[in-house]
Amino acid sequence: KAGVTQTPRYLIKTRGQQVTLSCSPISGHRSVSWYQQTPGQGLQFLFEYFSETQRNKGNFPGRFSGRQFSNSRSEMNVSTLELGDSALYLCATQTGQGAGELFFGEGSRLTVL
Amino acid sequence: AQSVTQLDSQVPVFEEAPVELRCNYSSSVSVYLFWYVQYPNQGLQLLLKYLSGSTLVKGINGFEAEFNKSQTSFHLRKPSVHISDTAEYFCAVSPFLMDSSYKLIFGSGTRLLVRP
Repeated sequence: KAGVTQTPRYLIKTRGQQVTLSCSPISGHRSVSWYQQTPGQGLQFLFEYFSETQRNKGNFPGRFSGRQFSNSRSEMNVSTLELGDSALYLCATQTGQGAGELFFGEGSRLTVL
Repeated sequence: AQSVTQLDSQVPVFEEAPVELRCNYSSSVSVYLFWYVQYPNQGLQLLLKYLSGSTLVKGINGFEAEFNKSQTSFHLRKPSVHISDTAEYFCAVSPFLMDSSYKLIFGSGTRLLVRP
């Protein structure tokens, strides 16, 4: 079956702009989580959505937001981009019920100039 | 709150030698424990996880890990490594959450470098 699909894979933005990243989960997976990976801070949890509702949230400013659609696809948005937002953004999905395996996508690499 | 410490940022080892990647965690609540591997320009792949039961967990690619509650450790081991094991390895914990969701807290990673 198809894996977790993230688009776009690479993108370049300038400071002050906003960006939207997309994640299509594995079929049947209703939970979508987002993580930020940077050389300095490592991997950090952003938020998790299940059945179109945010279920958990990390410690990121309000510029980082997300949403989930009825087909379980999720988007995350970063507004007013800063240089420090340059990172690999990883999406991870699971069925959402029980302690099942979390499957990661290959990520969207954002560069902010 | 939870935290994860991976004591070694890089571990060089010769091919076919055994390896141990160390992971210690801190948590005031019960947690699930995980090891993930990341190859260059790729996402994370689950190697193994400890949820409950036997403290020795076997994963993919010949890796295993042992949960030690008294030492709050979850070290990853492989008896004989291959060149293809060269990658970044991440230890992670997630608190038990009532809604069965995960909130992974990752360590800083250990780069395993396998030399011929």
